[in-house]
Amino acid sequence: DQQVKQNSPSLSVQEGRISILNCDYTNSMFDYFLWYKKYPAEGPTFLISISSIKDKNEDGRFTVFLNKSAKHLSLHIVPSQPGDSAVYFCAASPVFGNEKLTFGTGTRLTIIP
Amino acid sequence: KAGVTQTPRYLIKTRGQQVTLSCSPISGHRSVSWYQQTPGQGLQFLFEYFSETQRNKGNFPGRFSGRQFSNSRSEMNVSTLELGDSALYLCASSLEGLAGRDTGELFFGEGSRLTVL
Repeated sequence: DQQVKQNSPSLSVQEGRISILNCDYTNSMFDYFLWYKKYPAEGPTFLISISSIKDKNEDGRFTVFLNKSAKHLSLHIVPSQPGDSAVYFCAASPVFGNEKLTFGTGTRLTIIP
Repeated sequence: KAGVTQTPRYLIKTRGQQVTLSCSPISGHRSVSWYQQTPGQGLQFLFEYFSETQRNKGNFPGRFSGRQFSNSRSEMNVSTLELGDSALYLCASSLEGLAGRDTGELFFGEGSRLTVL
């Protein structure tokens, strides 16, 4: 049972345009969400997070939006740069504390120069 | 500050063998968690150790086990290897716990890629 779903395995975007990566979840107990970025032969690195008390969190070119009623979050990257080409994982946690993170299957983003 | 170190980076085993993977967390981090990454499955949580105690466990068979030492270094062991165990095994450390205390940030190592023939 995949509680965190990333339905697009891959996405290609032109450099300079906006990249939108989507993530859906089914567990209504999740209230803390994170995005990780992974380059080949490297471990995932933390990108940005959002708690359920917010609907938007912004960090430079990266913005995460949370729609709790739809159980949906999205990561916007603008403008997209070639270095953004990587696999992006969304992850969710039921509490802001010691609970394990549940990851999605990942979306491979390719930025086309 | 040194990152999370995993050894070995690559290894090849045959079915039925057992394997031990090692993880050294970032200095000061007491929580170590292990994930399995396979194509199409994302990162699947194996278990988490905190102060030498297993605090959380994922839905993996008993062939997968782990432990943590007093210096927070951790090992995971897979016995009676199966072809489906071929994967990238990632270790992550955090200061307070799996979702952390402030940012929820896990710091991952580069992983140990296991191939079972």
